[in-house]
Amino acid sequence: GPKVLQIPSHQIIDMGQMVTLNCDPVSNHLYFYWYKQILGQQMEFLVNFYNGKVMEKSKLFKDQFSVERPDGSYFTLKIQPTALEDSAVYFCASSFLSYEQYFGPGTRLTVL
Amino acid sequence: GDSVTQTEGQVTVSESKSLIINCTYSATSIGYPNLFWYVRYPGEGLQLLLKVITAGQKGSSRGFEATYNKEATSFHLQKASVQESDSAVYYCALSITGGNNKLTFGQGTVLSVIP
Repeated sequence: GPKVLQIPSHQIIDMGQMVTLNCDPVSNHLYFYWYKQILGQQMEFLVNFYNGKVMEKSKLFKDQFSVERPDGSYFTLKIQPTALEDSAVYFCASSFLSYEQYFGPGTRLTVL
Repeated sequence: GDSVTQTEGQVTVSESKSLIINCTYSATSIGYPNLFWYVRYPGEGLQLLLKVITAGQKGSSRGFEATYNKEATSFHLQKASVQESDSAVYYCALSITGGNNKLTFGQGTVLSVIP
């Protein structure tokens, strides 16, 4: 089936640094999402994105977070600066219309 | 806010036995709940197993079934005879029609099927 790719699979950075997580969504999809899962906890919605704009963001989507998809390339999540509590697995998803979201394998972010 | 509860964190079942994984939900957002089961097999990404968007309807896939019970606010996952290849993590999830398609997930249930 359609695949969503995420690069890198694991990122280790020092607190205060900037990090960009990359997502290669399914080619004809129009809606894009980021979810966050802290170890041992539920996967939680961060943000969704359509037509170049953020549609909705949760309270977990702090001011230090930003998303973009320049020129239809990767859908990115940038965190600047990072904090210890940002350590988690971040999942990207995309969908053509509503309902069925296709998920990537996740990027494990470790902030030291 | 909306929430999804899976009461079992881990379930172990012998091959060919029946399975039920419980899921209940609470939807406080304005709009109509849509219900999903996602599965993550070892080493793979999350994938949709089945979805039901109309109350009273049943969804099925790969021998699994779940019925959208609006009165009980439940969406339990069942299978009559599990196989070792069904070992995975199962997530119940909810979205709201008109709610920007964001998913609210349960905690996940690790299913181990022993031969």
